[in-house]
Amino acid sequence: EAQVTQNPRYLITVTGKKLTVTCSQNMNHEYMSWYRQDPGLGLRQIYYSMNVEVTDKGDVPEGYKVSRKEKRNFPLILESPSPNQTSLYFCASSLSSTGGSNEQFFGPGTRLTVL
Amino acid sequence: GENVEQHPSTLSVQEGDSAVIKCTYSDSASNYFPWYKQELGKGPQLIIDIRSNVGEKKDQRIAVTLNKTAKHFSLHITETQPEDSAVYFCAANSGYALNFGKGTSLLVTP
Repeated sequence: EAQVTQNPRYLITVTGKKLTVTCSQNMNHEYMSWYRQDPGLGLRQIYYSMNVEVTDKGDVPEGYKVSRKEKRNFPLILESPSPNQTSLYFCASSLSSTGGSNEQFFGPGTRLTVL
Repeated sequence: GENVEQHPSTLSVQEGDSAVIKCTYSDSASNYFPWYKQELGKGPQLIIDIRSNVGEKKDQRIAVTLNKTAKHFSLHITETQPEDSAVYFCAANSGYALNFGKGTSLLVTP
């Protein structure tokens, strides 16, 4: 089944403890992206990647890191999480490297709570 | 960067009525305008999109209109059904990025 998977789906952690949220797609998509969703703020793009080893900042990149070492994986890294990073996170992928201009397929989401 | 404004934030309609959600954008270079539907507990899913070379697109009960001069686009849902209840997001591209509106929570009551 073609899909975007994220792990974990739920995570509760404490301030300052490094964490990684994994994202994987099995559709051979070029473009991958991370969003956070907060009440009243909608979806905001954190980082995106047009291809392997090519990444760029979205609207809210502060406090996050990403890497794209292989086509199918795009992990989101929080080196020192803070409570204001408590949010619902979505990974998405798109067939074309110009993912902003094509359909994006979203994962099921990861709900992160930072205490 | 791109600023996408979406209205209303909540919308309640009776089954069978029409629903309209409106969005404006700021980047005159934007040329792709998708609409996503998010059901409770799930990720957003594309329901319809429009590119700047057309003014209207329709898919069964869903239609989208685009006015590039005024920089606004709208989603129209006709003959609404309870299963249309969800959060709807408009978006506009800006370079390789995609910027979303804040969402509209649509409730269709039987």
